[in-house]
Amino acid sequence: QVHLVQSGAEVKKPGSSVKVSCKASGDIPSYFAVSWLRQAPGQGLEWMGQIMLDLGTPNYAQKYRGRVTISADKSTHTAYMELNSLRSEDTAIYYCARDYGALSYFVAWGQGTLVTVSS
Amino acid sequence: DIQMTQSPSTLSASVGDRVTITCRASQTINTWLAWYQQKPGTAPKVLIYQASNLESGVPSRFSGRGSGTEFTLTISSLQPDDFATYYCQQYDSYSWTFGQGTKVEIK
Repeated sequence: QVHLVQSGAEVKKPGSSVKVSCKASGDIPSYFAVSWLRQAPGQGLEWMGQIMLDLGTPNYAQKYRGRVTISADKSTHTAYMELNSLRSEDTAIYYCARDYGALSYFVAWGQGTLVTVSS
Repeated sequence: DIQMTQSPSTLSASVGDRVTITCRASQTINTWLAWYQQKPGTAPKVLIYQASNLESGVPSRFSGRGSGTEFTLTISSLQPDDFATYYCQQYDSYSWTFGQGTKVEIK
């Protein structure tokens, strides 16, 4: 079983960037993908992008292409999500979740990281 | 992107009731659909994958049906632990998308 632990809450100014980490532990398979999702206060879930940890190949939702960078450190089983040009609408809980790559649902989730964007 | 529409948005029910939530896709997604349960302050938890497969450890009172564009999640006998928000998610094609959620409330 894979367990995902995310970095702590962040408070950022508009126009700045935030980088959230997601460390996997447990019985980690050789083929391992991590997606990033977010949930604004009182709102639904939105998929932002995905990375295959072994290949380091990211895949982004069109909405976030150009503003988000998803990366990974295979040696430490850690994925990262960096969001740039923050605005107040980016205030949300950001989740990482394990998936199986293409044609996959989210089988395990991190605990979530609250990012607050405020001047 | 494929649009996912859930109904109802809110559902009021009593313990022991049979409840059904519907999810419609804007184009066919075969059976590439999952259902999640989310309680306040916690991450979602998968209940059903590939439209009708029960995730390990999930109680058998949860069931899923459907294919193509129309899907349902049924709770056969609602338990106190089931009051939560439920989301469907398509994974037929990127970008993966979710329904807007159905909140199951105590009547």
